[in-house]
Amino acid sequence: DIQMTQTPSSLSASVGDSVTITCRTSQTISTYLNWYQQKLGVAPNLLISGTSSLQSGVPSRFSGSGTGTEFTLTITGLQPEDFATYYCQQTYNAPLTFGGGTKVEI
Amino acid sequence: EVQLVESGGGLVQPGGSLRLSCAASGFSFRNYAMSWVRQAPGKGLEWVSGISGSGGSTHYGDSVKGRFTISRDNSKNTVYLQMNSLRAEDTAVYYCAKLNRNSIVGTSIDYWGQGTLVTVSS
Repeated sequence: DIQMTQTPSSLSASVGDSVTITCRTSQTISTYLNWYQQKLGVAPNLLISGTSSLQSGVPSRFSGSGTGTEFTLTITGLQPEDFATYYCQQTYNAPLTFGGGTKVEI
Repeated sequence: EVQLVESGGGLVQPGGSLRLSCAASGFSFRNYAMSWVRQAPGKGLEWVSGISGSGGSTHYGDSVKGRFTISRDNSKNTVYLQMNSLRAEDTAVYYCAKLNRNSIVGTSIDYWGQGTLVTVSS
């Protein structure tokens, strides 16, 4: 199974800051990496698929990059509604696996 | 509008069984793979299982392999998760999820249900 290491597990930031979350995989997954945002008490929401494809309706301050085994999610200019938990997910091989999550706090 | 409505959650004793259902609408159900993802209280997301559009291909996470079975009825637009030999560590909110194409790999989850809580406790 492909192991996912997501860092940091939490971070504190202010409105307007830029933050970067990293996801490392135990083997190469090409660009089969997705990012989800989850707010407290609700189902996750897909932000980015295939490493860097922004989903419809997702603000352009979110961006993704990477390939192989290292991937990043960057939020440029953090907004109040961005405080949430973020998860990466690989879909290169089954079983599909998620990273442990990154909680972005004020 | 895509809708995924889970049902079947509840309290069950260790060693017991439960069957979750997910009724889908708003899309051509048979043309998309489906998954179950769970989240234990205060914990992260865990992928449980996935099934192709025809039902001919299924995959499971290591923690549930041999105990859980995913299936689908395309005539009823419903996907199921049969959970046997339940353990306390299976306690979680179980989300039904639609994948964005008819494949379990190389895809993404574009729609989620609201989740159903399964509690395994004596």
